[in-house]
Amino acid sequence: GAGVSQTPSNKVTEKGKYVELRCDPISGHTALYWYRQSLGQGPEFLIYFQGTGAADDSGLPNDRFFAVRPEGSVSTLKIQRTERGDSAVYLCASSLGPQPQETQYFGPGTRLLVL
Amino acid sequence: AQTVTQSQPEMSVQEAETVTLSCTYDTSESNYYLFWYKQPPSRQMILVIRQEAYKQQNATENRFSVNFQKAAKSFSLKISDSQLGDTAMYFCAFPFGNEKLTFGTGTRLTIIP
Repeated sequence: GAGVSQTPSNKVTEKGKYVELRCDPISGHTALYWYRQSLGQGPEFLIYFQGTGAADDSGLPNDRFFAVRPEGSVSTLKIQRTERGDSAVYLCASSLGPQPQETQYFGPGTRLLVL
Repeated sequence: AQTVTQSQPEMSVQEAETVTLSCTYDTSESNYYLFWYKQPPSRQMILVIRQEAYKQQNATENRFSVNFQKAAKSFSLKISDSQLGDTAMYFCAFPFGNEKLTFGTGTRLTIIP
């Protein structure tokens, strides 16, 4: 079956612009996670959804970052007024449920470059 | 603090040899899971192996096995008969807070032909 997909694979934008990053989870997975990976680092948690609701958004760095999952499937991560420090790879993952024993399956990520 | 530490930024080994990647963590939880993920240049994180803390037996998946020392809070990954396709970044991860994964800084493994 299809894995987690993310679009676009690469995004170049200018400082101050708005961007949207999309994640299509594995069908039937109720939990969806966003992580951010800076160069040379491990991924860092941003937000996770159980169904349509954001169950934990404690990793979002500030109010310029926002994510939605309106129908409990596809999710969009939105970044307003982008800054150069937002440049990173944004990874999405999904799992059958939010339990710690459930494996998180990752997408290939979106590489965001803010000029 | 709940942390995951990988102390080997880079490692290299000859093809067909065995290599061990180390990971330590700090937690006050007694029942938990630990994961090793592989990230090749394609960027996609792939689960290599996972360990359940309440199980005494170390997990194995083909050429991959773990050495889990609960008291020492150590979770190392052993790769036997290494292959060129094993070249990647390897991350140890722990689900602090039960859902979100906390990753170590990674070990860049290079398999030399």
